[in-house]
Amino acid sequence: DAGVIQSPRHEVTEMGQEVTLRCKPISGHNSLFWYRQTMMRGLELLIYFNNNVPIDDSGMPEDRFSAKMPNASFSTLKIQPSEPRDSAVYFCALYNPGWMTNYGYTFGSGTRLTVV
Amino acid sequence: RKEVEQDPGPFNVPEGATVAFNCTYSNSASQSFFWYRQDCRKEPKLLMSVYSSGNEDGRFTAQLNRASQYISLLIRDSKLSDSATYLCVVIVNTNAGKSTFGDGTTLTVKP
Repeated sequence: DAGVIQSPRHEVTEMGQEVTLRCKPISGHNSLFWYRQTMMRGLELLIYFNNNVPIDDSGMPEDRFSAKMPNASFSTLKIQPSEPRDSAVYFCALYNPGWMTNYGYTFGSGTRLTVV
Repeated sequence: RKEVEQDPGPFNVPEGATVAFNCTYSNSASQSFFWYRQDCRKEPKLLMSVYSSGNEDGRFTAQLNRASQYISLLIRDSKLSDSATYLCVVIVNTNAGKSTFGDGTTLTVKP
């Protein structure tokens, strides 16, 4: 979807390495969310931003995870150091409430992370 | 109990069948509801919002029952292309957007 661009699409890294996932919103949005999806746990909310400000990071697994949103057009999710249990698909999603166009969530294509 | 629970799948139906999924939610203050579709190894995509009055989009009908705290999705005349995982999404504060996703129900439509 043109609304959100994520990079890289795939990432394979060794345990202990730093990983940075990127999200570039294209369309207008109210909020930006980072999700993680695995077969075992489904879609998990990690953190979300409203007007570039982190609102709720209670889903971030531990201190190894950090996220930033320096402006409305860019966000990063960093894992340092990475561990095999971090292997998952990471989605960035934009949310617009009902009074805005594109009501609901628009997801990026995701980054498939494999930590070996 | 999970905040959002969906019918455990998988559903395997023949082409042309009618199939229904239910999703229950625990927070009575929930404001917004959606059905998303996710194809294998793809991102979730909005199928339809769910309104109190119920809404229909072609072969798809969504219903909301606030008293019993569940939403439903009905698919008529199933097509092979309907095969996917269907995710129920519940939002408590529609302005903030923080949501809970169900674990999804997998549908396979067979010839």
